Amino acid sequence: NAGVMQNPRHLVRRRGQEARLRCSPMKGHSHVYWYRQLPEEGLKFMVYLQKENIIDESGMPKERFSAEFPKEGPSILRIQQVVRGDSAAYFCASSPPTGVNEQFFGPGTRLTVL
Amino acid sequence: AQKVTQAQTEISVVEKEDVTLDCVYETRDTTYYLFWYKQPPSGELVFLIRRNSFDEQNEISGRYSWNFQKSTSSFNFTITASQVVDSAVYFCALSDFSSNTGKLIFGQGTTLQVKP
Repeated sequence: NAGVMQNPRHLVRRRGQEARLRCSPMKGHSHVYWYRQLPEEGLKFMVYLQKENIIDESGMPKERFSAEFPKEGPSILRIQQVVRGDSAAYFCASSPPTGVNEQFFGPGTRLTVL
Repeated sequence: AQKVTQAQTEISVVEKEDVTLDCVYETRDTTYYLFWYKQPPSGELVFLIRRNSFDEQNEISGRYSWNFQKSTSSFNFTITASQVVDSAVYFCALSDFSSNTGKLIFGQGTTLQVKP
């Protein structure tokens, strides 16, 4: 059973470009969480999604950030018009439908904005 | 408000020493889960333990042990006979039941350096 997969593992963007981060949950998992880790900081919750629904986006910045988890395919975290302050590691975690507390983390995507 | 505090920013020990990483949490929930994760220099997050609020028994796994004390809202982590491979950032986290999402609230992390 493959773990949570994230790609790309490293992403470099110039200011103003768009960044798309992908997360494929573990097989059978229908809940996805995105967390952001700024340099020298702990992880901060961004958004919680179930298939085709955003359940909690209280941690998402109000502008430029969006997330989706379509019926088919991976979850996508999209950052439009990136700025240097978006440079961070973005982690995805998934959990099965029966237990929201068992979160399995992917390896993360490290975004660098030049 | 839910909060996790890891007061120790950095700890440095010499190999074979025992070391305890502190974690203090705040929550209004009566049911909650506490976690420890390890983040080695490679950057991934490695799950170490999950403990629910109804189980105050201490747990031991090899050189690792955890002391959960509800009375002081603490969930401390001890590494016995530390090794260089234990060098990493360690995060304590709390699950948020109040929002019914299970999202995790992380502490700031403790960087452990084990010197040979």
